[in-house]
Amino acid sequence: ETGVTQTPRHLVMGMTNKKSLKCEQHLGHNAMYWYKQSAKKPLELMFVYSLEERVENNSVPSRFSPECPNSSHLFLHLHTLQPEDSALYLCASSTRQGEIDEQFFGPGTRLTVL
Amino acid sequence: EDQVTQSPEALRLQEGESSSLNCSYTVSGLRGLFWYRQDPGKGPEFLFTLYSAGEEKEKERLKATLTKKESFLHITAPKPEDSATYLCAVQDYGNNRLAFGKGNQVVVIP
Repeated sequence: ETGVTQTPRHLVMGMTNKKSLKCEQHLGHNAMYWYKQSAKKPLELMFVYSLEERVENNSVPSRFSPECPNSSHLFLHLHTLQPEDSALYLCASSTRQGEIDEQFFGPGTRLTVL
Repeated sequence: EDQVTQSPEALRLQEGESSSLNCSYTVSGLRGLFWYRQDPGKGPEFLFTLYSAGEEKEKERLKATLTKKESFLHITAPKPEDSATYLCAVQDYGNNRLAFGKGNQVVVIP
């Protein structure tokens, strides 16, 4: 595998379910990000991890819980989501958070909340 | 607060019909401006980073330019495979996060 991978690619869940999104980067980067992309809106930054430490939590509801066990893996745990949380969730990585930040994205997980 | 505005929102081009996309930005201090290409249902693909006014970068039929207030992405003699949404983002010295625009959706008709 090369670049940034995300699983699953598609997820349908009910409002009471618990699920997790997984991201893995094979680029040797030390910063990882979660973004939300909704139709007709700019990408919204959700969380930033640098060297496995969460450095930014962009006012995201607690029903989204990130986890970064090491510099190559990032998870987004989902719990009691709302229909308005349906979106494309993108993971990205970069060489270093704080320097010029060329971020490389995964293919995304298309989430539908029923 | 950083602002990024892209225009036009949507553009239909005949194959071979050159055009330009605009990204206007407001930042306190520009660290870098980025262009990405995004195909439907996929993640953004990195294209260019521009650092300072006057800088230009090229890749195949794409050429990105930068001034102190805006960036242009010129598409020369486009082909149908250039159909995509092009995203612009800026990184501010005062705030290291990337601020994205809504994108320019380009459709190239054979």
